[in-house]
Amino acid sequence: GAVVSQHPSWVICKSGTSVKIECRSLDFQATTMFWYRQFPKQSLMLMATSNEGSKATYEQGVEKDKFLINHASLTLSTLTVTSAHPEDSSFYICSARGARGLYGYTFGSGTRLTVV
Amino acid sequence: QKEVEQNSGPLSVPEGAIASLNCTYSDRGSQSFFWYRQYSGKSPELIMFIYSNGDKEDGRFTAQLNKASQYVSLLIRDSQPSDSATYLCAGINSGYALNFGKGTSLLVTP
Repeated sequence: GAVVSQHPSWVICKSGTSVKIECRSLDFQATTMFWYRQFPKQSLMLMATSNEGSKATYEQGVEKDKFLINHASLTLSTLTVTSAHPEDSSFYICSARGARGLYGYTFGSGTRLTVV
Repeated sequence: QKEVEQNSGPLSVPEGAIASLNCTYSDRGSQSFFWYRQYSGKSPELIMFIYSNGDKEDGRFTAQLNKASQYVSLLIRDSQPSDSATYLCAGINSGYALNFGKGTSLLVTP
């Protein structure tokens, strides 16, 4: 149990376009979703926390208008990188947490975004 | 910013030896800690979590937590080349998100 599916696993896009990344909890209800970004040889940096039906809470330094997060249901959260630029190229990973911490923290498989 | 600190390594151990990975944290209010393993280009995999002082064993892995010293460690017994990866220590922040250390690179040599 406790599987999180993340798609796409990799994407290449042109500078100035937008990219949407989906994160689905397959067998549990994810009351909270977390989005992380990881640059090469660095650790995971929390970008934002989203609770189902609420606006996401962004970490300091993360542009909310650039990284749009939607958590419309208990099984789906999306991250849209708007007007992507080469510096947005990174590994994006979602993590889901069930109510009261049930199922712990389950990570998606990650999305490698390359902006050219 | 509440910090989780790890030595970036690389830590090199011979096959069959015990690998010892360490982590310190600054938030004295932190209750639970997680150890993840991450292979290059992959998502983190949970090894184990610990929330009580003392040791917790799971197979070849033992996590140790010392809240007085604000110290967490992970021991890997009988290390295998397949254990070569980056090991991430994480605590839970006030928003229930995992706050990761920078990770320690482990290399197990045959």
